Amino acid sequence: DQQVKQNSPSLSVQEGRISILNCDYTNSMFDYFLWYKKYPAEGPTFLISISSIKDKNEDGRFTVFLNKSAKHLSLHIVPSQPGDSAVYFCAVAPRGGRNAGNMLTFGGGTRLMVKP
Amino acid sequence: EAQVTQNPRYLITVTGKKLTVTCSQNMNHEYMSWYRQDPGLGLRQIYYSMNVEVTDKGDVPEGYKVSRKEKRNFPLILESPSPNQTSLYFCASSLWARGQGDTQYFGPGTRLTVL
Repeated sequence: DQQVKQNSPSLSVQEGRISILNCDYTNSMFDYFLWYKKYPAEGPTFLISISSIKDKNEDGRFTVFLNKSAKHLSLHIVPSQPGDSAVYFCAVAPRGGRNAGNMLTFGGGTRLMVKP
Repeated sequence: EAQVTQNPRYLITVTGKKLTVTCSQNMNHEYMSWYRQDPGLGLRQIYYSMNVEVTDKGDVPEGYKVSRKEKRNFPLILESPSPNQTSLYFCASSLWARGQGDTQYFGPGTRLTVL
């Protein structure tokens, strides 16, 4: 069974409005949470991350929220722009171990379409 | 320009014909990794390497081999490809073997079709 799930395969939002992408995980041992963005014909690129000791991290228009009790992660994009149209993957990394930080488990992705 | 390169970008082959997908990074990164991306499943790690001559299995290693003879190169080898290995493959690298995931740089991907 998938340990990381993004239940919305796609999301359509009007330019200027807020985009909210969600991610749920099952294992409380996950310690570090990330969002990657992927354009067609390109590899994923890192967007924003948060460690388990925080519940919010902000970088410009992008904010990631972590609710550890609910095992839920969300990415807010405000305001959304057409250039934000891409597939967004959440990823989690476990605590401890020599490879822990790089051992990412990805969700299935959400395709965001921002309409002008 | 700092980058991860993969070759080929597209490949169509037949069952059982051995193939190699190359991956090279020019950032002197310690850590390299291979993922496959399948619809609805996200990216799953195939193999990773903490440094030269140090490789280990990820979540889905069956049917794949890797080698790390030089720091910059991390080829993915399919000795006898099968149709269930049809997928989009990504190579990634990270500066430190013990780094967090935000330091991972991904290549552009290789789309493989096995008939």
